[in-house]
Amino acid sequence: GDSVTQMEGPVTLSEEAFLTINCTYTATGYPSLFWYVQYPGEGLQLLLKATKADDKGSNKGFEATYRKETTSFHLEKGSVQVSDSAVYFCALSANTGFQKLVFGTGTRLLVSP
Amino acid sequence: GAVVSQHPSWVICKSGTSVKIECRSLDFQATTMFWYRQFPKQSLMLMATSNEGSKATYEQGVEKDKFLINHASLTLSTLTVTSAHPEDSSFYICSASSGGAWGTDTQYFGPGTRLTVL
Repeated sequence: GDSVTQMEGPVTLSEEAFLTINCTYTATGYPSLFWYVQYPGEGLQLLLKATKADDKGSNKGFEATYRKETTSFHLEKGSVQVSDSAVYFCALSANTGFQKLVFGTGTRLLVSP
Repeated sequence: GAVVSQHPSWVICKSGTSVKIECRSLDFQATTMFWYRQFPKQSLMLMATSNEGSKATYEQGVEKDKFLINHASLTLSTLTVTSAHPEDSSFYICSASSGGAWGTDTQYFGPGTRLTVL
């Protein structure tokens, strides 16, 4: 079945450091890919998405490129802030028309001043 | 943005009792609501999908008689864990979408409910 694998955390960085959170997937066909973020005490929020190969999703300085050849969708940000501390989830949707999301285990990011 | 609330945020109950969790869309009509379960250090697993006014569709391996889902209005869905046991202890998360289950609308997530069964 479809699955998503993302790096274990926590990822600990200093403010203004470069961030990469790895995400790879296994799916039949051509899924849509997502990154969700969960801030403490809040629900998951859609951060960015990409619906086809080579698409780049971007939002709030974060970006991720849909790489079909490596089945990856790594999340990057050039300069993190303390306010970026949260749990980040990579997810896919199989594009069968049904909205079922398959999630990775989440990666906690801790940014210190 | 769209807001989804869950109540309660946490609950502790005795084994054998039933617990109801509410999921509400506060500023939009949710045609479809999804219920997820998350174990510690594991990913969210979809339990069931409910459309307003219809019976819920359960994922394989999820006991529909144990996890009762009702989606009686466009703003409220409930999950009732019947005869709860310690193995049902988990973090339950709902999401809501204004599109149908077969659409492509964004899902908006609630903050989750922590259930502990003693």
